[in-house]
Amino acid sequence: NAGVTQTPKFQVLKTGQSMTLQCAQDMNHNSMYWYRQDPGMGLRLIYYSASEGTTDKGEVPNGYNVSRLNKREFSLRLESAAPSQTSVYFCASKVTGSTEAFFGQGTRLTVV
Amino acid sequence: DQQVKQNSPSLSVQEGRISILNCDYTNSMFDYFLWYKKYPAEGPTFLISISSIKDKNEDGRFTVFLNKSAKHLSLHIVPSQPGDSAVYFCAASLGGGAGSYQLTFGKGTKLSVIP
Repeated sequence: NAGVTQTPKFQVLKTGQSMTLQCAQDMNHNSMYWYRQDPGMGLRLIYYSASEGTTDKGEVPNGYNVSRLNKREFSLRLESAAPSQTSVYFCASKVTGSTEAFFGQGTRLTVV
Repeated sequence: DQQVKQNSPSLSVQEGRISILNCDYTNSMFDYFLWYKKYPAEGPTFLISISSIKDKNEDGRFTVFLNKSAKHLSLHIVPSQPGDSAVYFCAASLGGGAGSYQLTFGKGTKLSVIP
């Protein structure tokens, strides 16, 4: 019962480097999301995918791109990392029309 | 401009007593409200929700109350247990009901239940 799996769990990047955060869910959910959480802040939506083949911007999409590779996988890419992107990133998924979203354990990213 | 506000960053409660976590919102169009619980180094987990057409929802030790006129909701935990110690996030959805794709979160309240 893996649920939502994020890789990596920790990452340190230098300013300007690129990387992709991976997310996979095994619950056959249609909808997937990427959030970031900063100290003293709530979770803020970066991008979401309502279904396979569609993606949409959330509240804070600048500096990020996403790919819904298939129904299971939704990746988040930082093309040129900036210190302002230092954060904890959470992937989530849910059944379309339901209330409850299931979250992964998070990826702690530091950009120096 | 925060639309969902949790004005108490932290709360300490004795084991066995009631914990009351508060949340205020500014957007009257929010139609569904949720509480998530988060332990350190883990992702948030869904706890309980309430539709804007209701004023109370209960699930075991957890009850959420909604006062639409005051744009205020609260989470009651009775009795509080040490395992309830976590950060609690209030969240709201705008349109689309329970299936809304976008949730707006508050900053969270850290609950400490003292044995």
